[in-house]
Amino acid sequence: GAGVSQSPSNKVTEKGKDVELRCDPISGHTALYWYRQSLGQGLEFLIYFQGNSAPDKSGLPSDRFSAERTGGSVSTLTIQRTQQEDSAVYLCASSLAGGSEGRATDTQYFGPGTRLTVL
Amino acid sequence: QKEVEQNSGPLSVPEGAIASLNCTYSDRGSQSFFWYRQYSGKSPELIMFIYSNGDKEDGRFTAQLNKASQYVSLLIRDSQPSDSATYLCAVRDDKIIFGKGTRLHILP
Repeated sequence: GAGVSQSPSNKVTEKGKDVELRCDPISGHTALYWYRQSLGQGLEFLIYFQGNSAPDKSGLPSDRFSAERTGGSVSTLTIQRTQQEDSAVYLCASSLAGGSEGRATDTQYFGPGTRLTVL
Repeated sequence: QKEVEQNSGPLSVPEGAIASLNCTYSDRGSQSFFWYRQYSGKSPELIMFIYSNGDKEDGRFTAQLNKASQYVSLLIRDSQPSDSATYLCAVRDDKIIFGKGTRLHILP
């Protein structure tokens, strides 16, 4: 079946421009995460959506970053007034469930990522 | 601040030997524990999850969980060059948090 998809795969932008990154999770997955990974670094948590609950935005690095998830499916991560330090691979992951009862259902399936380069 | 700690490595292990990867976490309320493998330039993929104290085996991989000591480890038996990758530990409490990963290099 279809996995998590992300678009675009690569994005080059100029400093100060806004960008939108898209994530299509696996159908039926209620939990969706955004992470950022700089070269040679670990996964930096950005934001977490679980069903209809208010998203956990505790990882967003600044108010230039925002994300939404429409209809409990597709998510868009928006970075306004991009800076060079925003350059990284942005990874989206979805899982079947995210509640406390989840265990195997917490397993995250990652998309291929969007490589963002800010010149 | 909830934390997941891993030695960044690189950890070099001869082919055929056992590779041992360790992870500690700060939140005693953590419920589920995961090991992901990430090849260079690729996305992470799940190797194993564990949620009960003790050992869980899957092929050449064994995950070990000790909640009292707040650590989880991954053993890779009969290490192969194809096991060379970064191994990410992830811990779930109210959300899933990843460690920074350990780079493993299997020496042919």
